[in-house]
Amino acid sequence: AQKVTQAQTEISVVEKEDVTLDCVYETRDTTYYLFWYKQPPSGELVFLIRRNSFDEQNEISGRYSWNFQKSTSSFNFTITASQVVDSAVYFCALSEGGWLQGGSEKLVFGKGMKLTVNP
Amino acid sequence: DTAVSQTPKYLVTQMGNDKSIKCEQNLGHDTMYWYKQDSKKFLKIMFSYNNKELIINETVPNRFSPKSPDKAHLNLHINSLELGDSAVYFCASSPQREGLETQYFGPGTRLLVL
Repeated sequence: AQKVTQAQTEISVVEKEDVTLDCVYETRDTTYYLFWYKQPPSGELVFLIRRNSFDEQNEISGRYSWNFQKSTSSFNFTITASQVVDSAVYFCALSEGGWLQGGSEKLVFGKGMKLTVNP
Repeated sequence: DTAVSQTPKYLVTQMGNDKSIKCEQNLGHDTMYWYKQDSKKFLKIMFSYNNKELIINETVPNRFSPKSPDKAHLNLHINSLELGDSAVYFCASSPQREGLETQYFGPGTRLLVL
């Protein structure tokens, strides 16, 4: 069965610190997608990144970077030089291949990690 | 332009009442979803529809009934509301039913049952 574990529940840092959010997943499928979503205090869910199981290249987008390692079933997210606006709950999620691949079509979320960036 | 919209944003009601939450997407997506986020922020899927056809129904009480009049709309009707139904309900949509596409979420509806 699919499972996403975000072991950290809450992290507090001071502005400009780097912070890494851990995500470990479980799946029996060979085709799957991993996602990160951000939920700021205003409550909406903001899509950050999608990565498929066949692409292990790391990705960088501004201050955000993602490290995908199939060998350890991890998809970690690093924020460099954190800012107060990064304060939010961050969710890692997994989606297996759809019905054509015999999988489900739902997103399975981790429990979220609350990041507080203090000035 | 709002991509995925939900109404109402806030809903406060008494136990036992029946209420509906509406969702509309203007992205031209084929698949829509309802997720529930509980007080501990845990997000779990409830339903998925593809082109008005129910695809996923995740052990949700039958007091919850989704209705999709067309592929741009997926409404959620809840009968006989209970205290435990208090949560944030998110609608989402994605381009295909393959489970591989990004799901885009609405702003959420905060339901409080008194």
